[in-house]
Amino acid sequence: SYELTQPPSVSVSPGQTARITCSGDALPKKYAYWYQQKSGQAPVLVIYEDSKRPSGIPERFSGSSSGTMATLTISGAQVEDEADYYCYSTDSSGNHRGVFGGGTKLTVL
Amino acid sequence: EVQLVESGGVVVQPGGSLRLSCAASGFTFDDYAMHWVRQAPGKGLEWVSLISWDGGSTYYADSVKGRFTISRDNSKNSLYLQMNSLRAEDTALYYCAKDLAAAAPAGIDYWGQGTLVTVSS
Repeated sequence: SYELTQPPSVSVSPGQTARITCSGDALPKKYAYWYQQKSGQAPVLVIYEDSKRPSGIPERFSGSSSGTMATLTISGAQVEDEADYYCYSTDSSGNHRGVFGGGTKLTVL
Repeated sequence: EVQLVESGGVVVQPGGSLRLSCAASGFTFDDYAMHWVRQAPGKGLEWVSLISWDGGSTYYADSVKGRFTISRDNSKNSLYLQMNSLRAEDTALYYCAKDLAAAAPAGIDYWGQGTLVTVSS
């Protein structure tokens, strides 16, 4: 079955740039989406269609995709950005099944 | 404001059945596909199922295919998940989620707060 691979953890100091990667064979053909989940809360969409930012999401959040890898970048990470981040996409076989990456714990301290 | 409110989560014995519901408001429900996503305690997100705007197309994760059935009632702005032959590994918080598109899945843009299903004897 199709898989998306993320690093388990990323750690940065406040004000630094955090980059979280997501790799998958179908990413050259399918969009990546990124979700932020803080402890005890439902996920929130922070990036859609590889690089678009929903209204209300701070400009420091950006996304990109090249080949089989999508990247979420948080420029000038804040303490309040500490959370689990998940990438999401669908496989390219046409069965429309969704798949989440395993999640990345971002620590900002 | 988009609101998704799940209900129906309880403690159920292995092999039992359960029906989850999701009440949607704040958007035109029958314009969008809908998903169920689950999260086991302390674990990551797992996509479960998707239904198109009109209910004509449904898709399932391999882990639930043949046991779970997704459905919707557009006249009631409601989404459902019928869960049969439940197993301990189905224990999770189940989220109802709205897709960005109507038919072919795009991505999820809104989530409910979830309803907890516990499968235990």
